[in-house]
Amino acid sequence: GEDVEQSLFLSVREGDSSVINCTYTDSSSTYLYWYKQEPGAGLQLLTYIFSNMDMKQDQRLTVLLNKKDKHLSLRIADTQTGDSAIYFCAESITPSDKLIFGTGTRLQVFP
Amino acid sequence: DAGVTQSPTHLIKTRGQQVTLRCSPKSGHDTVSWYQQALGQGPQFIFQYYEEEERQRGNFPDRFSGHQFPNYSSELNVNALLLGDSALYLCASSPGLINEKLFFGSGTQLSVL
Repeated sequence: GEDVEQSLFLSVREGDSSVINCTYTDSSSTYLYWYKQEPGAGLQLLTYIFSNMDMKQDQRLTVLLNKKDKHLSLRIADTQTGDSAIYFCAESITPSDKLIFGTGTRLQVFP
Repeated sequence: DAGVTQSPTHLIKTRGQQVTLRCSPKSGHDTVSWYQQALGQGPQFIFQYYEEEERQRGNFPDRFSGHQFPNYSSELNVNALLLGDSALYLCASSPGLINEKLFFGSGTQLSVL
């Protein structure tokens, strides 16, 4: 089945780390993505990971993948007010297949 | 580079009408995908065009149709509009069928009254 689940809301203090979680159900998904959406804007690809990897780090972003539990997480270090947005995880079976998005997690960063 | 441009940015229609949304891909991109994002939801894949042909289609009725032109721009047409078609319609382009290179436009907000 095609279903990607995320918690709806996360609130963190500026400077703390944020962890956004995602659970997917299609075990054949081999490509997993994190997107950011700010008000009035389209989606911005933050990072992606292949299913043969456990972790990927890109500056303040760390992606962890637990393929056994079909669990994906995005950690944002030193969260800033500019990180306030909606974050979507997405999966695809192949690198050219359609993206299946989660419902999104709204991250609010307070001073 | 203008990125992915969509027009119009906002649109109001009434039930039963037809609508056409337009998308110009990022320079150098030849593949266009369309997504529907209802309020409070994640985007849902509608279809993808490559080499002027529909390559993939999501679970949307035939009222949703599209086209890709030789210059790679694309249109999304929706016939017999329903209230439930109210959503943000996002266009994304990429150089070939490569998700990692996918760029999204800011979308067209369609309201059906």
